Amino acid sequence: DAKTTQPPSMDCAEGRAANLPCNHSTISGNEYVYWYRQIHSQGPQYIIHGLKNNETNEMASLIITEDRKSSTLILPHATLRDTAVYYCIVRVQYNNNDMRFGAGTRLTVKP
Amino acid sequence: SAVISQKPSRDICQRGTSLTIQCQVDSQVTMMFWYRQQPGQSLTLIATANQGSEATYESGFVIDKFPISRPNLTFSTLTVSNMSPEDSSIYLCSVHTTDRFPYEQYFGPGTRLTVT
Repeated sequence: DAKTTQPPSMDCAEGRAANLPCNHSTISGNEYVYWYRQIHSQGPQYIIHGLKNNETNEMASLIITEDRKSSTLILPHATLRDTAVYYCIVRVQYNNNDMRFGAGTRLTVKP
Repeated sequence: SAVISQKPSRDICQRGTSLTIQCQVDSQVTMMFWYRQQPGQSLTLIATANQGSEATYESGFVIDKFPISRPNLTFSTLTVSNMSPEDSSIYLCSVHTTDRFPYEQYFGPGTRLTVT
């Protein structure tokens, strides 16, 4: 699986959009981009994933660049409850292997 | 999504003792994983447990220290043996679903272990 690079921490004002970047310059053609988050003392939670098209669900939007070497997770209206560590993971979708977690980005939403 | 429960949710144990953590899933799954998350760190995979076969351990983890059972498709246990303070971590059970969208990996709430 390709390696990802994320900023260690970010702040965001409550009610504003949180944009979390991820670099995955070595991504291969059959690898998807996944985002998970871990709120303090809980297990990681799936947010969204995509291959090359932008994706949106009830939690977030995922924007993947045309060359697929980077992506951005967007939380459109961040709330205090979105404070968490966000992990960007690249892997083959149907690979039966586990998710490999990097250090992630610690997002702090401030009132 | 898969709903995963773990028991106990937390425990404080003495050095040299062992603790068995249980993981129950609300549906049958082929792949189950056990992770460790040390204080302030990211998740590290301990082993992969498939029903009917021996668990596969990652580098740095051995069966004698972390024996795993997988008696059926909805249940697994992880034992932390002969514990030391360095074993103080959150232990997470995870499952991989490939039979329904979005074919994702889901995590239990974790077991917070403190070894004194």
